[in-house]
Amino acid sequence: AQKVTQAQTEISVVEKEDVTLDCVYETRDTTYYLFWYKQPPSGELVFLIRRNSFDEQNEISGRYSWNFQKSTSSFNFTITASQVVDSAVYFCALSDNTGGFKTIFGAGTRLFVKA
Amino acid sequence: GAVVSQHPSWVICKSGTSVKIECRSLDFQATTMFWYRQFPKQSLMLMATSNEGSKATYEQGVEKDKFLINHASLTLSTLTVTSAHPEDSSFYICSARVITDTQYFGPGTRLTVL
Repeated sequence: AQKVTQAQTEISVVEKEDVTLDCVYETRDTTYYLFWYKQPPSGELVFLIRRNSFDEQNEISGRYSWNFQKSTSSFNFTITASQVVDSAVYFCALSDNTGGFKTIFGAGTRLFVKA
Repeated sequence: GAVVSQHPSWVICKSGTSVKIECRSLDFQATTMFWYRQFPKQSLMLMATSNEGSKATYEQGVEKDKFLINHASLTLSTLTVTSAHPEDSSFYICSARVITDTQYFGPGTRLTVL
């Protein structure tokens, strides 16, 4: 069955600190996709990254980086030198073949970045 | 990038009334759209999958007679909350799928039932 676990409910950091948001997923499929979304207070989801199961290459985009480890079924997200504008809820999500490629979301991690 | 709109962005209604929420893909066609519900400080929960020209597929525990979904065209899906009650107050988000791994989300509709 599909499942996404974000064990960190809330994280609070001071500006310029690095922070890692954890994501562990479960799927029986070999073909699946993983996502990270940001949800600011406005509520609108902001797409951050998509990764397919055949591409374990880590990715860096500016201050954001993602570490995909199939061996541990994890897809962690790191923000380097955090800023106040990074304060939001971050969701990890999964879609797989068995689920008809419907996207299911983890519980989310609320990140507070203090000035 | 592709744009998905929702209308209205917010709505307040009286208990017992029905509310219709529209989800449109503005610059692309989507054979599949999804409807999610998000209660305060919770995650997005998938309610149903909407395929153009066919009946929607509802997730377990979602009442299909209460949440009517119509996907009449490749660019429009509607969700009607029938006989709304205060417990239906939530943030409703739609998304439109282009290909297997690409889904675009609407900005959401905040429903408040008094």
